Amino acid sequence: EAQVTQNPRYLITVTGKKLTVTCSQNMNHEYMSWYRQDPGLGLRQIYYSMNVEVTDKGDVPEGYKVSRKEKRNFPLILESPSPNQTSLYFCASSSGQDNEKLFFGSGTQLSVL
Amino acid sequence: GENVEQHPSTLSVQEGDSAVIKCTYSDSASNYFPWYKQELGKRPQLIIDIRSNVGEKKDQRIAVTLNKTAKHFSLHITETQPEDSAVYFCAATRGTGTASKLTFGTGTRLQVTL
Repeated sequence: EAQVTQNPRYLITVTGKKLTVTCSQNMNHEYMSWYRQDPGLGLRQIYYSMNVEVTDKGDVPEGYKVSRKEKRNFPLILESPSPNQTSLYFCASSSGQDNEKLFFGSGTQLSVL
Repeated sequence: GENVEQHPSTLSVQEGDSAVIKCTYSDSASNYFPWYKQELGKRPQLIIDIRSNVGEKKDQRIAVTLNKTAKHFSLHITETQPEDSAVYFCAATRGTGTASKLTFGTGTRLQVTL
């Protein structure tokens, strides 16, 4: 089954404790991206990747890191989480090349205390 | 960069009525406009999209219209049903193969009441 898999679904952590949210897709998609969803603000892009070893900042990249060492994986790293990073995070992928349909993961609800 | 505004933020309609959600965009070069539906606790999913060379597109009870001159596009849902209750996001981007630069609106929570 074609899918984008995110883990974990829920995560509670404390300020400053490094964490990683994993994202994997099995559709051989070139494009992958991370969004955060906050009430009243919609979906805001954090980082995106157009292919292996190619990443770029989205609209709200501060406090986040990403890597794209393999085509299928695009982890989101919070080196020193802060309470303002409490949010619902979605990973998404797209094949690109005239097909912009985004396939979203199931989301990760992060709470930073 | 692109800025997408979406209205209303909440919308309540009775079952069987029509619902309309409107979005405006700022970048005149934008040429692809998708709509995503997010049911409660679920991931967003594409329901319909339109490109700038088309003024209207329909898929059963759902239609999207685009006015390039005014830089706005709308989602129309006819004969609404309870399963249409969800948050709807519009989005815009320029070029092809550019999902990486998709800008979303802030969402509309649609509630269909019996």
